[in-house]
Order: sequence, then structure tokens, then C-alpha cells
Amino acid sequence: DAGITQSPRYKITETGRQVTLMCHQTWSHSYMFWYRQDLGHGLRLIYYSAAADITDKGEVPDGYVVSRSKTENFPLTLESATRSQTSVYFCASNPGSYNEQFFGPGTRLTVL
Amino acid sequence: QQPVQSPQAVILREGEDAVINCSSSKALYSVHWYRQKHGEAPVFLMILLKGGEQKGHEKISASFNEKKQQSSLYLTASQLSYSGTYFCGTERNTGNQFYFGTGTSLTVIP
Repeated sequence: DAGITQSPRYKITETGRQVTLMCHQTWSHSYMFWYRQDLGHGLRLIYYSAAADITDKGEVPDGYVVSRSKTENFPLTLESATRSQTSVYFCASNPGSYNEQFFGPGTRLTVL
Repeated sequence: QQPVQSPQAVILREGEDAVINCSSSKALYSVHWYRQKHGEAPVFLMILLKGGEQKGHEKISASFNEKKQQSSLYLTASQLSYSGTYFCGTERNTGNQFYFGTGTSLTVIP
């Protein structure tokens, strides 16, 4: 199906474990984004990517790693999860600047 | 860095109007507006690209004052389906560094 998907939708992990959240889009959009959403902070940009092999930091990148070897995939890795990374994570994509962003359904991550 | 939205929350009765404001301390190249229902992803409403631009989407419209670095979202004759959290989003340069506003919770009651 065309669109943008995220997996898993729900994840519970423990402090110190590595976790990877997946994002896949079928539109061949150039840009992809990772946001986290917390009560009181709205949506905050973690990392974004302008194309395969091009990534850049957003507002809150500490503790996260991204890669983009293929245009359609943009995984987000928490190398050593902390409780403060408990959040809802949204992936988004768009074809370029000044365009609508299309959001995935989100991943709810809980770090115990 | 985040644009500031006001009010933080508003409750309306069906048929009433509302205005949501979005202000930035930095120059804006574009302003996006999104609505998010509880437990769902944000959904795009509209984008304004030029200072002074106004757009409409059914009974929802928006304006962009580039000089004042502000945008406003206007909801007229509100419907129950308008309930949700509204976010503005801004691009500050062509590098696609994107910032969402603090959000405005809007509740429409019968």
C-alpha cells in the first residue's frame, strides 16, 4: 500500500537497551523527518534527511542516531535508551521545502 | 526556538468562531497548519508561503504576516469535528529545518 508506515506501533523496553524504530515511505519523497511528541512540548524535530546518505540534526538529537541508505527508509536508533526517551515518535516525509508533511501513524515507546 | 501559540486551549460551542495565533522570534519562510486528533497523527490543513498570503479551507482560513513573523488560523461556525490540537509549523530557511508550535487544544461542544 502506498503511504508512510512505522514499526513497531508500540514498544516497551528497559533502560540501557538499544531500540530501532523503523519508517518506510512509498512516495520516493526526498525529505524524511523524525519527531517526538511529549505532553507540554508538542512535536520536536529529532533528525531530518534531505536525501539518501544526507542527514542533519534537529532540535533534540542527543541520544539518537539515524541513517538513510535508501530513499524509502529512515530508521531511528536509540543506542542506550533512557526513561526520558519515553514518548510518541512520528516519522514524516515530503518532496521538498514548502510542501505538506505526511505523517506516519506513530510509535509509542515506553522505557522502563 | 519553537513558535509560540495562543491560546493554549479554547472551548467553543458549535457555531462559534475561534482564532489561533502563532508567533516566532525568528524570520519565517513559510507557515504550515496541522490538526491532530487524540491518538492520531497530525493532518495537514494548509501552508502559507508569502507574507500577506491568506488561504481558506472550507470554514478554516489562515493569514501570514511576514513582517510581524506571525500567522493566525481562523475557524468559523465551528463544528464538532473541529475538535483537536492545532499546530503551526515553520520553516526558517530552505534547509527544511522545521519547528512546530506549542499547540492549541480546541474543544467544540454541542
